[in-house]
Amino acid sequence: NAGVTQTPKFQVLKTGQSMTLQCAQDMNHEYMSWYRQDPGMGLRLIHYSVGAGITDQGEVPNGYNVSRSTTEDFPLRLLSAAPSQTSVYFCASSPPGGGPLHFGNGTRLTVT
Amino acid sequence: RKEVEQDPGPFNVPEGATVAFNCTYSNSASQSFFWYRQDCRKEPKLLMSVYSSGNEDGRFTAQLNRASQYISLLIRDSKLSDSATYLCVVPLAPNAGNMLTFGGGTRLMVKP
Repeated sequence: NAGVTQTPKFQVLKTGQSMTLQCAQDMNHEYMSWYRQDPGMGLRLIHYSVGAGITDQGEVPNGYNVSRSTTEDFPLRLLSAAPSQTSVYFCASSPPGGGPLHFGNGTRLTVT
Repeated sequence: RKEVEQDPGPFNVPEGATVAFNCTYSNSASQSFFWYRQDCRKEPKLLMSVYSSGNEDGRFTAQLNRASQYISLLIRDSKLSDSATYLCVVPLAPNAGNMLTFGGGTRLMVKP
């Protein structure tokens, strides 16, 4: 059972480039979310989804887009990368009704 | 006021010591609470849920004080392997279910 899989593990982008961070889970969890973690800031919620076809904004959504076409996948898109988006990104999933989050291993993104 | 606040530490304790962390939250309607553990450069992992009556899991005890809006984590007989950052987690809003907000974390360092 792979759990939550994130790719890539590391990425370096130049300012203005775009990319997609991939997230997939095989636990049939309805809820998926993206967090970013910066030193001294803790984890902040970017976007979340309560099921296929449904997405919503979290605390820090600006500069990011998401979609949820299937239960398994929840990609995060950076349309025009900025240095302020240098961070560690975690994808997480959980079953409906509340409960612990299962995290992926994280993607370390640097924007120069 | 931040929604979830924690003392960032670090707490430096010798092996075998007892150490306690507190976490305050602003949303009085929050119903579920969690403690996560995060090792350096790794994803957060659930340590324990926090129930109204308090709960214990081996050397770890979690307590909830609704009147003062804080939760606590007590670690007895600290081990070197307990060195990590401990994250307090609370729902983002009433009935938010899976939408969780994280505190900045408290760093624990257990020394021989």
